[in-house]
Amino acid sequence: GEDVEQSLFLSVREGDSSVINCTYTDSSSTYLYWYKQEPGAGLQLLTYIFSNMDMKQDQRLTVLLNKKDKHLSLRIADTQTGDSAIYFCAETPGGYNKLIFGAGTRLAVHP
Amino acid sequence: DAGVIQSPRHEVTEMGQEVTLRCKPISGHDYLFWYRQTMMRGLELLIYFNNNVPIDDSGMPEDRFSAKMPNASFSTLKIQPSEPRDSAVYFCASSGGETQYFGPGTRLLVL
Repeated sequence: GEDVEQSLFLSVREGDSSVINCTYTDSSSTYLYWYKQEPGAGLQLLTYIFSNMDMKQDQRLTVLLNKKDKHLSLRIADTQTGDSAIYFCAETPGGYNKLIFGAGTRLAVHP
Repeated sequence: DAGVIQSPRHEVTEMGQEVTLRCKPISGHDYLFWYRQTMMRGLELLIYFNNNVPIDDSGMPEDRFSAKMPNASFSTLKIQPSEPRDSAVYFCASSGGETQYFGPGTRLLVL
């Protein structure tokens, strides 16, 4: 079945690295995505990775993909208070038009 | 580009009333998606269109919900009659390839 799981909450100190983890179920997912949602706002695409890649880096963001374990992670380097938000992982069973989202991980950044 | 535009941003209505949510996708995008976000069920895909044609409406909760896309720059999601359990944030997203861009959402409260 289709199911994406994430831990619900993560708290980090400003300046530290944050690692948000996600497990998905559908090995046919072509792309895997990370979205960010700030309070009262829509979802902002952060980054995505094609399934034939193991890693993708984009400025402070690093995505790691372990296809064998169906595990995806998002690392945010030098976490800032502006990074406080909910982060959603999404898989794409049956093609990239159908996103299946996890419940989201709430990241709290404290001084 | 203005991004995906949704209106209204907030809607409060009484049970039994008809509700119409509107969306203008990003110009040039050929896919349009409607999602619903609730605390209990998270983010759910309701329906999506390709070139104005509905492709997958398997996520539409019941016959009270209907969606149309009369042209490439406009879509509506209608709920008739509305019920308190329809209270949620409804997002529209559009895509021209492998990435979906979300609008700010319409926060619906049915009393």
